[in-house]
Amino acid sequence: AQSVTQLDSQVPVFEEAPVELRCNYSSSVSVYLFWYVQYPNQGLQLLLKYLSGSTLVKGINGFEAEFNKSQTSFHLRKPSVHISDTAEYFCAVRAPQGGSEKLVFGKGTKLTVNP
Amino acid sequence: DAGVIQSPRHEVTEMGQEVTLRCKPISGHDYLFWYRQTMMRGLELLIYFNNNVPIDDSGMPEDRFSAKMPNASFSTLKIQPSEPRDSAVYFCASSPDRRGIQYFGAGTRLSVL
Repeated sequence: AQSVTQLDSQVPVFEEAPVELRCNYSSSVSVYLFWYVQYPNQGLQLLLKYLSGSTLVKGINGFEAEFNKSQTSFHLRKPSVHISDTAEYFCAVRAPQGGSEKLVFGKGTKLTVNP
Repeated sequence: DAGVIQSPRHEVTEMGQEVTLRCKPISGHDYLFWYRQTMMRGLELLIYFNNNVPIDDSGMPEDRFSAKMPNASFSTLKIQPSEPRDSAVYFCASSPDRRGIQYFGAGTRLSVL
């Protein structure tokens, strides 16, 4: 069974600092990878996705992620964060060959951006 | 499009009562997912449908939970009888295809007293 590990449950940073949220997955087959963001009292929304092609993926709000197959990682980065980036971020994986449309989500990383 | 619409946004009920959560997916989306989110267990998939047919209900915690999708524009998640441990935020999401891009509703916050 697939699993997703988000190594940090909480990440505090100062405004305008860079940030990296780490995500590792376990799968021996090709995968689709996603980052979703959840703002307080809201549902999740898609931040970016890797389906195929370039391993560097750009998403909304200045975020990007790099797919590293050898390290089975999909870390999320932003060079300069804003207060409004405070939210919980979820990494998710789906194996397209598996026959299931289920996404497997990590436990989430709470990003807090301080002034 | 208005997005995925869930109702009610908040539900407070007493143990033993029946609870029905509702979801209207985005028009044209073939997949509908029900999730539960708690601090302890994170985001759990309960059940998902494809073209109104339940495909995988292995995440449904027990027989007290049931879900239906009578047509392409409506789904319900029912808990009968409810228990305090069912307190959580329940999300509905829909997807246009199998790639995994899901659109979430705002959720229903359920409190069972």
